[in-house]
Amino acid sequence: NAGVMQNPRHLVRRRGQEARLRCSPMKGHSHVYWYRQLPEEGLKFMVYLQKENIIDESGMPKERFSAEFPKEGPSILRIQQVVRGDSAAYFCASSLGADDQETQYFGPGTRLLVL
Amino acid sequence: DAKTTQPTSMDCAEGRAANLPCNHSTISGNEYVYWYRQIHSQGPQYIIHGLKNNETNEMASLIITEDRKSSTLILPHATLRDTAVYYCIVRVRDNYGQNFVFGPGTRLSVLP
Repeated sequence: NAGVMQNPRHLVRRRGQEARLRCSPMKGHSHVYWYRQLPEEGLKFMVYLQKENIIDESGMPKERFSAEFPKEGPSILRIQQVVRGDSAAYFCASSLGADDQETQYFGPGTRLLVL
Repeated sequence: DAKTTQPTSMDCAEGRAANLPCNHSTISGNEYVYWYRQIHSQGPQYIIHGLKNNETNEMASLIITEDRKSSTLILPHATLRDTAVYYCIVRVRDNYGQNFVFGPGTRLSVLP
């Protein structure tokens, strides 16, 4: 039973390029969450999606960041025109449902380095 | 902002029990307490969660006070591989249902 999968595990981009981070939830899970962790800090919630719907994007920066979770395929976190401040670890989590008892299971993360 | 407060760091001798405290004095009656840990920048690993009763699984025990304003995570026989940052989280309820707010956590060092 595979856990949450993320790829790539490491991503290097130059300023101004685009970064695409992928997340495949655990089998049977239809709820996906993205978090960002800056160096030496805790995780910060970014966005919560269900299949084809963004449920809560209150943690997403207003510009350059977008997320999707299509009917088929992985969830994608897209960062356009990356800047050095985007360098961080990006973690995806998934859950079976959305009630108070639903545990979120995290993937290994994608470490983005912007040069 | 996180709804929990935890000590910044703790040490524990290998083989001894590690007791990690957490204060959540503003917790609501239907909010669960979750514990995760993060080993050296890996993805957070789920440990345990509870509402009001004490809980135990193969990894740890969770003791929640009767007034639910604090809890303690117990690792009964800590090993070097338990060295990690431990996060105590009270799930935030909002219009969308749920959100995990991670604080800085407790950095547990298990010493040989």
